[in-house]
Amino acid sequence: GAGVSQSPRYKVAKRGQDVALRCDPISGHVSLFWYQQALGQGPEFLTYFQNEAQLDKSGLPSDRFFAERPEGSVSTLKIQRTQQEDSAVYLCASSPGLAVYNEQFFGPGTRLTVL
Amino acid sequence: AQSVTQPDIHITVSEGASLELRCNYSYGATPYLFWYVQSPGQGLQLLLKYFSGDTLVQGIKGFEAEFKRSQSSFNLRKPSVHWSDAAEYFCAVGFSNDYKLSFGAGTTVTVRA
Repeated sequence: GAGVSQSPRYKVAKRGQDVALRCDPISGHVSLFWYQQALGQGPEFLTYFQNEAQLDKSGLPSDRFFAERPEGSVSTLKIQRTQQEDSAVYLCASSPGLAVYNEQFFGPGTRLTVL
Repeated sequence: AQSVTQPDIHITVSEGASLELRCNYSYGATPYLFWYVQSPGQGLQLLLKYFSGDTLVQGIKGFEAEFKRSQSSFNLRKPSVHWSDAAEYFCAVGFSNDYKLSFGAGTTVTVRA
């Protein structure tokens, strides 16, 4: 595909369940980002990968959040023991370069609702 | 605290009228500045960006933005809006020694016929 894809597009979880959100970046893009977008808010940074290395996870809200990109391509964001405050749209973005001036290309997001 | 502010939560504009969306930042240094647009069910799309040089930058879809250092602002403008411009618009900042973006809360634009 030409763009960043994310799956599933919608996820409903019961409180306490574990969820896994997938991101397929644009082929060849070295940088991959996860953002969390709460209702009525702008995206907030969660974590950053450069190839397979997770260089920054300072935005992850708690140790229930875990992200990986084992082969430097597809990435998975996992949330354990989901809570209602985890309800948000989770956005993935990829970029061809390492610096902030390289355009980040965003996927359509996964809307997570925790009941 | 460092922040990006978009003062207008919601703007309604008539088709064919001009549009201006405000963005202010509070950082010590001049950041890299971006405007993104998000249509329902779509990912964010970059409209334009400013790094240095000419303070008036042109973007896609007929948008432009002007950086004003004295006002710490980077306002987005379009001379004549189309119904397809109805969307949510986000201002974002980044820094040369970093890779992530910090976003404002967004402005929702409604276009009436």
